[in-house]
Amino acid sequence: DAGVIQSPRHEVTEMGQEVTLRCKPISGHDYLFWYRQTMMRGLELLIYFNNNVPIDDSGMPEDRFSAKMPNASFSTLKIQPSEPRDSAVYFCASSFNAGMNTEAFFGQGTRLTVV
Amino acid sequence: AQSVAQPEDQVNVAEGNPLTVKCTYSVSGNPYLFWYVQYPNRGLQFLLKYITGDNLVKGSYGFEAEFNKSQTSFHLKKPSALVSDSALYFCAVRDTGGTSYGKLTFGQGTILTVHP
Repeated sequence: DAGVIQSPRHEVTEMGQEVTLRCKPISGHDYLFWYRQTMMRGLELLIYFNNNVPIDDSGMPEDRFSAKMPNASFSTLKIQPSEPRDSAVYFCASSFNAGMNTEAFFGQGTRLTVV
Repeated sequence: AQSVAQPEDQVNVAEGNPLTVKCTYSVSGNPYLFWYVQYPNRGLQFLLKYITGDNLVKGSYGFEAEFNKSQTSFHLKKPSALVSDSALYFCAVRDTGGTSYGKLTFGQGTILTVHP
């Protein structure tokens, strides 16, 4: 398996524009996580899914953020409208939740810059 | 609610010396604990985990971690540090019960610097 795949790797956009980040989890994994990493806040959990269903979205900062998982092999994180303070690295991760095989595997991240 | 704390923002150690990166946790059920490493401009890489069994867990690149239930700690250790170990290290805990089942929460990270 190629691992967790995120796209794009880098995104530069203007304030007010819509941004969509994409994630393809590892095949067979039933959990998917979205994290945001900044110098000030560290690594924050935004939302996670189990079997394509959102379980906890309490980390989503505002209504401008939304996430979907239409099927087991694809998820999106959308920011509309984007603001400069949304600039960060966004990570997607996936895992099994089966006994010993419970560690999460991370994608390479999307570096978002909002100007 | 579960939580993880890494009390040290930075750890500095000389090459060849032993290193310890500290982590304490708080969970309501059985703890599933993890260590990850992040190199610059990269994603997080899994190092090791504690699920059950032996309190001393061995992982990748010569790292190990000691689970201590009474002190609710899961410190990362290595007997002899390498310059190439310099990176950002994260401790994490996975929720095993309640409405947040499966939730994976990370500490704030510790920057490890190994000096030649």
